[in-house]
Amino acid sequence: GQQLNQSPQSMFIQEGEDVSMNCTSSSIFNTWLWYKQDPGEGPVLLIALYKAGELTSNGRLTAQFGITRKDSFLNISASIPSDVGIYFCAGRNSGGSNYKLTFGKGTLLTVNP
Amino acid sequence: SAVISQKPSRDICQRGTSLTIQCQVDSQVTMMFWYRQQPGQSLTLIATANQGSEATYESGFVIDKFPISRPNLTFSTLTVSNMSPEDSSIYLCSVEGRRGFGEAFFGQGTRLTVV
Repeated sequence: GQQLNQSPQSMFIQEGEDVSMNCTSSSIFNTWLWYKQDPGEGPVLLIALYKAGELTSNGRLTAQFGITRKDSFLNISASIPSDVGIYFCAGRNSGGSNYKLTFGKGTLLTVNP
Repeated sequence: SAVISQKPSRDICQRGTSLTIQCQVDSQVTMMFWYRQQPGQSLTLIATANQGSEATYESGFVIDKFPISRPNLTFSTLTVSNMSPEDSSIYLCSVEGRRGFGEAFFGQGTRLTVV
């Protein structure tokens, strides 16, 4: 099946620093989604992207849909301790099974106060 | 976004037994999805459940092991049958957003430990 390459696998940063993570795919996607998962919880949708080149912000979070439709990045500015968690990208393609999501392996973010 | 409630939130089960996980959504949805998240791993789709028809299973998942019910447009159950320690995972229910733009929303998950 399809796979998304998400990097980095983990990050250790100081409070106040900016963070960037990205996902790449060998296939074209027509939707990119970014999620955050806290321990013991389900993934929570942070940002949804629908068009190539789209740049969308949600507070301190900014995500972009790559123009090739095969990649996306998520930036977090001025990180705070509650940003700790696992961040997942997910892509939905435009093939026959277009309701299915493919998930990256996640980026574990640790923020040191 | 949809409000999705899963029960139980966690359970510890003996090997060889079965556990049924319930998923309730606050609005009618066409498709409901069941995912498995093994420890430290990403999410893997188990099956798609449509009301009034048999669930569609992904490669590596079979109905005998993961029977699914979808009796109406707001409810579904996933059963993990004849459990082994390898079934220890988080099981997640998901639905698409109401706007139909491709967003997906998740329940809080069921953390299953098989001993």
